[in-house]
Amino acid sequence: QSVLTQPPSVSGAPGQRVTISCTGGTSNIGAGYDVHWYQQVPGTAPKVLIYGNSNRPSGVPDRFSGSKSGTSASLAITGLQADDEGDYYCQSYDRSLSGSYVFGTGTKVTVL
Amino acid sequence: EVQVVQSGAEVTKPGESLKISCKGSGYRDSSYWVAWVRQMPGKGLEWMGVIYPGDSDTRYSPSFQGRVTISADKSSSKSLTTTYLQLSSLKASDTAMYYCATLLLYKYDTTGVPLYYFDYWGQGTLVTVSS
Repeated sequence: QSVLTQPPSVSGAPGQRVTISCTGGTSNIGAGYDVHWYQQVPGTAPKVLIYGNSNRPSGVPDRFSGSKSGTSASLAITGLQADDEGDYYCQSYDRSLSGSYVFGTGTKVTVL
Repeated sequence: EVQVVQSGAEVTKPGESLKISCKGSGYRDSSYWVAWVRQMPGKGLEWMGVIYPGDSDTRYSPSFQGRVTISADKSSSKSLTTTYLQLSSLKASDTAMYYCATLLLYKYDTTGVPLYYFDYWGQGTLVTVSS
């Protein structure tokens, strides 16, 4: 049972902007721990999109952006493209239960 | 170039044990943590544990503590290391894809604690438990 909650699905037409929320609590995001985002295309391993709340690794398009506020974080995708379809996960650290890396529940992005 | 390669798919019976591997190469040195992540069919990602191959310091998720064992080979090469995930007393509910991933240190927080994210991922090892 994940401690980070995401919407099960979001969708948008090509070219549109979509956002995915990640809601945590006072022992993880609200405690100041950074949020990272991963994209998982069906049948492949996850790939990091955003680290440290808002930083993009080399090679990730600037259509992807991240932010964090309070106990929540968000991933925005602008100029939605067909190959953006897949599952997206947020991830942070939780200081309860002896400290653990935690993932969000995951959000399926569909391009209409 | 960094590469993370996992062992191949496995089919096993309930009650048996299994050890899968994750080989990383191309790193500048061996100063990195390796994590294991489970993904059950149609479900999300679950962190299982991490190991620092340099000294085999290991931490487990409370959800997996006592049920799995993570270990590592000490290689004479600083840029090559192999980590292992041992699954014991397997049940049908252990059927899943298991991923390994290296943790990249990207900064230190204000108290000097290192912060990481999951950087390079292996291709995954599908474990099927069926009688």
